[in-house]
Amino acid sequence: EPEVTQTPSHQVTQMGQEVILRCVPISNHLYFYWYRQILGQKVEFLVSFYNNEISEKSEIFDDQFSVERPDGSNFTLKIRSTKLEDSAMYFCASSEVGGRGTEAFFGQGTRLTVV
Amino acid sequence: GESVGLHLPTLSVQEGDNSIINCAYSNSASDYFIWYKQESGKGPQFIIDIRSNMDKRQGQRVTVLLNKTVKHLSLQIAATQPGDSAVYFCAEGGNTDKLIFGTGTRLQVFP
Repeated sequence: EPEVTQTPSHQVTQMGQEVILRCVPISNHLYFYWYRQILGQKVEFLVSFYNNEISEKSEIFDDQFSVERPDGSNFTLKIRSTKLEDSAMYFCASSEVGGRGTEAFFGQGTRLTVV
Repeated sequence: GESVGLHLPTLSVQEGDNSIINCAYSNSASDYFIWYKQESGKGPQFIIDIRSNMDKRQGQRVTVLLNKTVKHLSLQIAATQPGDSAVYFCAEGGNTDKLIFGTGTRLQVFP
């Protein structure tokens, strides 16, 4: 069964450092997403991406965040200067179609720990 | 504003019993709802969805009920098994691409 894969599974970084989280969405999917989940809290939307541009972003997704699809398979989330409060699980997701009524498939997540 | 929330943080059931997990939403304009299951260390896994033009939808051992009058959503799991132990989230499919998740209910299944 096709799945969304994320690397690394766990990333530890020092405050102020840049991190790049990587995702390989399901191959025939066109819409890509990043969500995050702070420990013990609910899953929060960060950004959606379609046709090589951001289609929607949340208030969390400020200037420190960026996304990129550098080639035909990878989808990355970059945090330029990490803060302690960026520590969370980051989930990548993809779907065949976007908009209301979209079934998104999630990856296993990357646990980001900022120290 | 938009919000999706859950009534109970933890639900404990005996193996073989039926489980009911509840969810309330506040945006009366919402018309698509999803239940996700999240096992420890894994990402959310799609279980079942329902649109607002339906009151009930059944899957394999799961049923979702939607009561638009009171803006309430529930997930029923029949003959709960140990493998059903997880955190269950309801999520609202908004009028854009994003999903708005509720807080989550932890389901614990005892033998």
